[in-house]
Amino acid sequence: GAVVSQHPSRVICKSGTSVKIECRSLDFQATTMFWYRQFPKKSLMLMATSNEGSKATYEQGVEKDKFLINHASLTLSTLTVTSAHPEDSSFYICSASGLAGGPRETQYFGPGTRLLVL
Amino acid sequence: QQQVKQSPQSLIVQKGGISIINCAYENTAFDYFPWYQQFPGKGPALLIAIRPDVSEKKEGRFTISFNKSAKQFSLHIMDSQPGDSATYFCAASIGYGGATNKLIFGTGTLLAVQP
Repeated sequence: GAVVSQHPSRVICKSGTSVKIECRSLDFQATTMFWYRQFPKKSLMLMATSNEGSKATYEQGVEKDKFLINHASLTLSTLTVTSAHPEDSSFYICSASGLAGGPRETQYFGPGTRLLVL
Repeated sequence: QQQVKQSPQSLIVQKGGISIINCAYENTAFDYFPWYQQFPGKGPALLIAIRPDVSEKKEGRFTISFNKSAKQFSLHIMDSQPGDSATYFCAASIGYGGATNKLIFGTGTLLAVQP
């Protein structure tokens, strides 16, 4: 149980285009989903927290108009990087919490999406 | 106060040895302390977690030791194997009225287990 998937696993795009990353909880309903960014050999940096049906809460310094988050259902959240630039190239990871019967704090992570903006 | 300090930054252990990674925190409101294992190019995977009302938790070769008064916790990997070579992150969770629980991550420890 507690499997989280992400799609795509890798994406290369041109500067100025938008990229959408999907995060799905496959075998449980996630009350909350989180989006992280990770630079090489660095820790995870929380970008935003989202609950199903409500607006995402962004961390300080994260541009909400650039990183659009939609949490349409209890099993799907999407992150859209709008007008991507090379500095947006990174490893984006989502996580989900809310597994029934488990600690509410436990976050289960997806496999990550490697974004490269040319 | 929201930081979680992790050490060492990197660690080399011989096969069969014990790997020890330490974390410290300041905020006494933290009430959930998980450890995650991450392989290159993959997402973190939950290893083991502990709450402050318990001083030790063991799952297989992995043990968390928790010292509430010192605000420190550590991960011990017994009989370390080359397959354990990965980056390990400690984390701490602070709740907001039960609605969402953000994880504050440590800086990570790169573990290399030599055959």
